[in-house]
Amino acid sequence: DAGVTQSPTHLIKTRGQQVTLRCSPISGHKSVSWYQQVLGQGPQFIFQYYEKEERGRGNFPDRFSARQFPNYSSELNVNALLLGDSALYLCASSFGRGAYEQYFGPGTRLTVT
Amino acid sequence: GESVGLHLPTLSVQEGDNSIINCAYSNSASDYFIWYKQESGKGPQFIIDIRSNMDKRQGQRVTVLLNKTVKHLSLQIAATQPGDSAVYFCAEIDNSGYSTLTFGKGTMLLVSP
Repeated sequence: DAGVTQSPTHLIKTRGQQVTLRCSPISGHKSVSWYQQVLGQGPQFIFQYYEKEERGRGNFPDRFSARQFPNYSSELNVNALLLGDSALYLCASSFGRGAYEQYFGPGTRLTVT
Repeated sequence: GESVGLHLPTLSVQEGDNSIINCAYSNSASDYFIWYKQESGKGPQFIIDIRSNMDKRQGQRVTVLLNKTVKHLSLQIAATQPGDSAVYFCAEIDNSGYSTLTFGKGTMLLVSP
């Protein structure tokens, strides 16, 4: 069975640009969560979507937004990129609404120059 | 892949030794704890979990100990192998509001043959 997949693997953007990251959950999973992992730190929660609705939001500015599609895949959008947005962006999927039993994808490495 | 372990505390052991990785948490309302392993270029991988009504749980070669009095969690790995080399994160779930996963700082484990 395929695990959580994310695209692209790596991305380089310029300060001020916008970026869209994509995630496909494990088949049958209805919840997708997004995390930001800055080098040398643990992942930090950004959003959780369950059944296409936002169910949780971390302490991130409004430049960050996300959505979940009817097939449960998800996109994370970041506008007006800052140098500090450079990080590994992780997507995790789970069957239920809570944070239990989350399976992580390999991440998208975003570099902002 | 780019290392996630930059600037993290490091534990260096010899193959065959037992390893103990410690974690302090701060949220008294957390009722579920998880240890994740993250190898370079990959997302976090579930190792073992424990509920707050338990103080010990054993898996295959791994044991998690929970001390709620001092808000301390530890991961013991028996007969450590080179393949155990990775960054280890503890994470907690607080279900009092949103059910979100909060990661600790992480420890890099280096196993020498």
